[in-house]
Amino acid sequence: SQKIEQNSEALNIQEGKTATLTCNYTNYSPAYLQWYRQDPGRGPVFLLLIRENEKEKRKERLKVTFDTTLKQSLFHITASQPADSATYLCALELKAAGNKLTFGGGTRVLVKP
Amino acid sequence: ETGVTQTPRHLVMGMTNKKSLKCEQHLGHNAMYWYKQSAKKPLELMFVYSLEERVENNSVPSRFSPECPNSSHLFLHLHTLQPEDSALYLCASSQIGGGDFYGYTFGSGTRLTVV
Repeated sequence: SQKIEQNSEALNIQEGKTATLTCNYTNYSPAYLQWYRQDPGRGPVFLLLIRENEKEKRKERLKVTFDTTLKQSLFHITASQPADSATYLCALELKAAGNKLTFGGGTRVLVKP
Repeated sequence: ETGVTQTPRHLVMGMTNKKSLKCEQHLGHNAMYWYKQSAKKPLELMFVYSLEERVENNSVPSRFSPECPNSSHLFLHLHTLQPEDSALYLCASSQIGGGDFYGYTFGSGTRLTVV
């Protein structure tokens, strides 16, 4: 069966350090992999998209890597700030799925001052 | 304001009630979606309206009925729900085709409680 796995344990990190989150998937051939941020009681907010033929993408303090051989994406928040505290969701768009996204369960990040 | 507006933000309904959730997008997107988010579970795709074609997740019970009268509006009609249907219901929109894809834009959701 198809699965998207994110670490369900919260990640506690000191302000200024780099937070690294993992997204692993099985039995998918994704065209795109996306990362979203979700705050409590709110809808997810799109952060970054990386295509199957891209290895790395950056946006300000965020960096995403995509390894289709390992079936894994890493999401990095550098110089983390307390305002980065949220749940981060990984999502896959499959080649044959016509723009439909399937989400992982998310990893909660808590940045302590 | 995210460009996708959902109403109401909170809804409490009895199991015999009929209610509707509303979603409106102001982004000119051509696809809209309903997702369900239950505690400690990933977002589950319920329905997609893409280029005026409805695509369903076959595991969605018939007590949930979507309606998409035009590309800017999406409804989710609810009737005879069960307590396990209590969840955050999220609407999203996106633009399909035309080059780069910029992800989904989600609304803030409707927190539904079935009593």
